[in-house]
Amino acid sequence: GQNIDQPTEMTATEGAIVQINCTYQTSGFNGLFWYQQHAGEAPTFLSYNVLDGLEEKGRFSSFLSRSKGYSYLLLKELQMKDSASYLCAVRHQTGANNLFFGTGTRLTVIP
Amino acid sequence: NAGVTQTPKFRVLKTGQSMTLLCAQDMNHEYMYWYRQDPGMGLRLIHYSVGEGTTAKGEVPDGYNVSRLKKQNFLLGLESAAPSQTSVYFCASSPLDRDYGYTFGSGTRLTVV
Repeated sequence: GQNIDQPTEMTATEGAIVQINCTYQTSGFNGLFWYQQHAGEAPTFLSYNVLDGLEEKGRFSSFLSRSKGYSYLLLKELQMKDSASYLCAVRHQTGANNLFFGTGTRLTVIP
Repeated sequence: NAGVTQTPKFRVLKTGQSMTLLCAQDMNHEYMYWYRQDPGMGLRLIHYSVGEGTTAKGEVPDGYNVSRLKKQNFLLGLESAAPSQTSVYFCASSPLDRDYGYTFGSGTRLTVV
């Protein structure tokens, strides 16, 4: 089975940096994804890690430690439009790229 | 390029009624998926397909059926709707390349009364 944990809610200030953590326990790990979901909209792909280390994409970075079952998403220079839910998802070895999602972290950016 | 299109966007059903949700993708993706999203539960996989003519069960398949007669379409059916199936349903697709994530449709908000 899969067990994915992330904080339910976070608040941060515009212009600041925020780190959203995700821990997971799974058999057959084959990659970790982060998605952004604005209220009432579909999730959109942010990042993907399959090897340990940091992946950077503009203001967003994602880190993975497979031995610790841990990932984080780092958002820099926060903007009001970054207020959204951030979903951590683990891909299983078997199946068709099947992803198992955490419950999401709702981030609120305040002025 | 439309990506993944879901219809309808909203629907209200009475308990016991049936309906079909349609998902269409124009990206020639091999894999397609149906998820449901409920408050506090996250996205849960209902059924998925690895290609035309194939389907498989996900985490929460009970009460749902699917078909993938054409590569671009993935249908989700509810034969006898129950209030527990009130949810937001998302369809997604992905290519064979495992470095890419899913492309999601805009969702269907279904209420069963």
